[in-house]
Amino acid sequence: GQNIDQPTEMTATEGAIVQINCTYQTSGFNGLFWYQQHAGEAPTFLSYNVLDGLEEKGRFSSFLSRSKGYSYLLLKELQMKDSASYLCALTSGGYNKLIFGAGTRLAVHP
Amino acid sequence: EPEVTQTPSHQVTQMGQEVILRCVPISNHLYFYWYRQILGQKVEFLVSFYNNEISEKSEIFDDQFSVERPDGSNFTLKIRSTKLEDSAMYFCASSDVPGTDTQYFGPGTRLTVL
Repeated sequence: GQNIDQPTEMTATEGAIVQINCTYQTSGFNGLFWYQQHAGEAPTFLSYNVLDGLEEKGRFSSFLSRSKGYSYLLLKELQMKDSASYLCALTSGGYNKLIFGAGTRLAVHP
Repeated sequence: EPEVTQTPSHQVTQMGQEVILRCVPISNHLYFYWYRQILGQKVEFLVSFYNNEISEKSEIFDDQFSVERPDGSNFTLKIRSTKLEDSAMYFCASSDVPGTDTQYFGPGTRLTVL
């Protein structure tokens, strides 16, 4: 089976940097995704890691350590619109189903 | 930019009624998925579909659920006899190649069972 842990809530200040951690245990692993979800909306893709290391995409970066079962999402130059839930998800199996964590609700304050 | 679409955006039904949720995946994608999210809870996998058959399903996806690709564009989720606990957001997703490619989600259908 799979288990994914991430903090329930975080707060940060506009313009700052925030790191959202995700730890996981899984019997099968294809890759790790981060999605953003605003309330009442669908998850939208942010980043994907399959190999160890850092992937950078504009203001967002994601890191993966497969040996430690650990990932983080780094958000820089925070904006108010970044207030949302951030979902860590594993893919496993031949057809790549996504297994989601409960999400981290980020509140960005002025 | 291509996107996944879903209809209706909101469906209200009586307990015991059948509902069909519709999705149009991105046109060149081959792998299709349904997920659900009960209010305040995490997104949960229901079923994956490839080559006109179910490739994997979760424990949630019991005999009351079925999926179909009736033509070259639509992908549907049917719930035969809805229960109160089926009230949730239902998301359709599609991807090009599993294992390496991103799943793109539709906007969801909010199902309310009364």
